[in-house]
This record gives sequence, structure tokens and C-alpha cells, in this order.
Amino acid sequence: DIQMTQSPSSLSASVGDRVTITCRASQGISNSLAWYQQKPGKAPNLLLYDASRLQSGVPSRFSGSRSGAAYTLTISSLQPEDFATYYCQHYYITPWTFGQGTKVEIK
Amino acid sequence: QVDLVQSGAEVKRPGASVKVSCKASGYTFTNYGINWVRQAPGQGLEWLGWISAYNGNTIYAQKFQDRVYITTDTSTSTAFMELRSLRSDDTAVYFCARGRDCDSTRCPSNYWGQGTLVTVSS
Repeated sequence: DIQMTQSPSSLSASVGDRVTITCRASQGISNSLAWYQQKPGKAPNLLLYDASRLQSGVPSRFSGSRSGAAYTLTISSLQPEDFATYYCQHYYITPWTFGQGTKVEIK
Repeated sequence: QVDLVQSGAEVKRPGASVKVSCKASGYTFTNYGINWVRQAPGQGLEWLGWISAYNGNTIYAQKFQDRVYITTDTSTSTAFMELRSLRSDDTAVYFCARGRDCDSTRCPSNYWGQGTLVTVSS
């Protein structure tokens, strides 16, 4: 199985901060990577797919990029509604696997 | 609008089986696959398997291969996930999720059900 190592596991940030979350795949996944936001008691919400494509309706402050085996989610200016847990997920082959999650908390 | 509505919470004894339903609406059911993902309390996300709503083909995670059974009823646009031989560590919220734009596992899911809590306890 492909392992997705996500970091950090949590972070504290203020409204307006730039936030970066990284996911590293244990083998090549050819940009078959999605980022989800999950709030307590809710289902995950797709933010980005194919590493950098913004899902319809998602604010443009969310962006994704890749450098080698490392995939990055960036929130350019954190908003109050962005405090949540974020997960990466590959869909290159089965089984799908997810990163461990990053909880973004208010500083 | 696309909607996936799951069945209600379940409490099961160890060794029992549970069957969770996921009723789809707002799109042509047979055009997209359905994935099942679970989340144990306070934990991350874990993929169980996928079914093509077009032809019923399935792919299961090896970890659950012997215990999970995913089916569809195209007449009611409903997907089902049955998990057998339940253990306490199967306690989790189970989600169904529709593929974004494909009938395979090669695309992420952009529509999710509300989740079904399955509690396994003696």
C-alpha cells in the first residue's frame, strides 16, 4: 500500500496567516492526490484534486502544489471558517490511503 | 442537486453483521462509482472499498476483503455496505462517497453521505 505521510499533525495559526500542510507519498502517485477539509461531525469536503485543481465552489485562497514526492496544501490567508482538520488522499491505485490529518487550530 | 442519504446509527454485538445503505439522488446513479470510507472516533479516514454502479464490479481493501460486501440496487439508486464478524475496533462512522467524475477509483469523491455511526459493543 502507498503510505501518505502528512505533516504537521496540528498547528496553531491566526486569522490572516499563511498556512502550509505537506503530504509525502511513499511511491509515485502521478499527481493523483486530493485534499479534503473536515469539520467536527461532518463528512470530508473536497478542496483540491489532481494535486492542484480547485474543486468548484472552493475559495481561491486554497491552492495545491507538488515538488517531487511532496504535495502541499497552502491556505494563503486563513479565515475563521478554515479552522478544521485537513486530509490528503491518493487515488492512484487501490487501496486509497489518507494522510493522518492536520488539525488547524486558532492561535 | 446531488445527495447521498445514509441509514441511521446501529448498535451491534461483536460477531454480528451490519448493513448500511446509501440512497443517491440528483444524478444518474449508474454513471458514477461509490466508495465506502470509515472513521473511528477521533481517528483518520480509512477506505474500505468501491463499487461500480454501472456493472456492479467491486474492489475491496485487502484488510477487509473477507468481511466486507458492497452492492447496489439500481432500481432504487441505493448502495449498500455490509460488514461481517464485527469487532469492537469496527466502531466508526461509515461514509459513502461518490466519485467526482468517473466510474472508477481513479478520481476523488466530491459528494459524501452524512455518515452512519456503527457501534460494536457487548
